[in-house]
Amino acid sequence: DAKTTQPNSMESNEEEPVHLPCNHSTISGTDYIHWYRQLPSQGPEYVIHGLTSNVNNRMASLAIAEDRKSSTLILHRATLRDAAVYYCILRDNNAGNMLTFGGGTRLMVKP
Amino acid sequence: DSGVTQTPKHLITATGQRVTLRCSPRSGDLSVYWYQQSLDQGLQFLIQYYNGEERAKGNILERFSAQQFPDLHSELNLSSLELGDSALYFCASSVPSGIPGELFFGEGSRLTVL
Repeated sequence: DAKTTQPNSMESNEEEPVHLPCNHSTISGTDYIHWYRQLPSQGPEYVIHGLTSNVNNRMASLAIAEDRKSSTLILHRATLRDAAVYYCILRDNNAGNMLTFGGGTRLMVKP
Repeated sequence: DSGVTQTPKHLITATGQRVTLRCSPRSGDLSVYWYQQSLDQGLQFLIQYYNGEERAKGNILERFSAQQFPDLHSELNLSSLELGDSALYFCASSVPSGIPGELFFGEGSRLTVL
């Protein structure tokens, strides 16, 4: 399985943008990039996903490098509720919906 | 609320015992996935069922087994429990027509083995 590398933790101030990086230098052509987050005492929840182009949804934006070897999850205005562990996951489109979680980035948001 | 229901929320038992964790997927979801989350191993995929059939297998121990019933609920059976089996066990579900890779996770069952 192609692996991802994320910083263990990051800090942000409330109402400021947050850029969460992810490196995936061994990504293959059939791998989609997914982001999930896990709030305290909850199960993971889907945030966003993409293949090659940048993506936006109501929760976040996903910026994908042209060579696809890295990506960045962007939270446009962090709130205290965004404090969570953020997971960057590569999903092989030939392997269905199975997701392999790594260590993730623990985002702390300061008021 | 993801719509995925897991019971029990908390369970305390002793080594050597057997427990059953239950998962009810979202209405209409045919796939069920089981994950284990422990402090030292992170979130580990255990097994996936699709419409009653085993679809994919991950790092599931031989002491663990699962099944999906005709009403699509699933059970994860853990036997000969060891201290190291203490963890959060998550169930997730998905629908074939949904966003690829979008899984809906329950709140988990916390198992403590003493």
